[in-house]
Amino acid sequence: EAQVTQNPRYLITVTGKKLTVTCSQNMNHEYMSWYRQDPGLGLRQIYYSMNVEVTDKGDVPEGYKVSRKEKRNFPLILESPSPNQTSLYFCASSSLQGRNSPLHFGNGTRLTVT
Amino acid sequence: AQSVTQLGSHVSVSEGALVLLRCNYSSSVPPYLFWYVQYPNQGLQLLLKYTSAATLVKGINGFEAEFKKSETSFHLTKPSAHMSDAAEYFCAVAAERGYQKVTFGTGTKLQVIP
Repeated sequence: EAQVTQNPRYLITVTGKKLTVTCSQNMNHEYMSWYRQDPGLGLRQIYYSMNVEVTDKGDVPEGYKVSRKEKRNFPLILESPSPNQTSLYFCASSSLQGRNSPLHFGNGTRLTVT
Repeated sequence: AQSVTQLGSHVSVSEGALVLLRCNYSSSVPPYLFWYVQYPNQGLQLLLKYTSAATLVKGINGFEAEFKKSETSFHLTKPSAHMSDAAEYFCAVAAERGYQKVTFGTGTKLQVIP
């Protein structure tokens, strides 16, 4: 089954404790992206990657890091989480074969930073 | 810069009534437009997409949307609401960065009253 898998689904942590949220897709998609969803703000892009070893900042990259060492994986790293990073995070992927390729989303990771 | 405005963060309709969710966009080049749906505790799923082939686009679950360039709108409609349509709906535009940058609206939660 074609899917984007994020782990964990729920994460509670404390300020300053480094964490990683994993994302993996099995559709051989070139494009992968991270979004955060906050009430009243919709989805905002954090980082995106057009292919292996190619990453770039989205609209709200501060406090986040990503890497793309393999095509299927795109982990999101919070080196020193803060309470304002409490949010619902989504990983998404799409093919770059055709401009109208839709995004495929994971089921989300709800992060709470205390 | 491209942007999307969704009018009404919450919309309530009676079961069997017309569903109308409003979306207006802004972009400097002809855009691709999407509607995504998010059910509770899930990621977003593509409902339909406009890619300049036809101005009236049909999607899944009986939804459709009409692209009106003169009004810069892409409103989502369904003739008869079902209880299962209760979800959050996001309009999205892709125009910048070779159509790879996707900007989402703030979402509209649809409540269906029995």
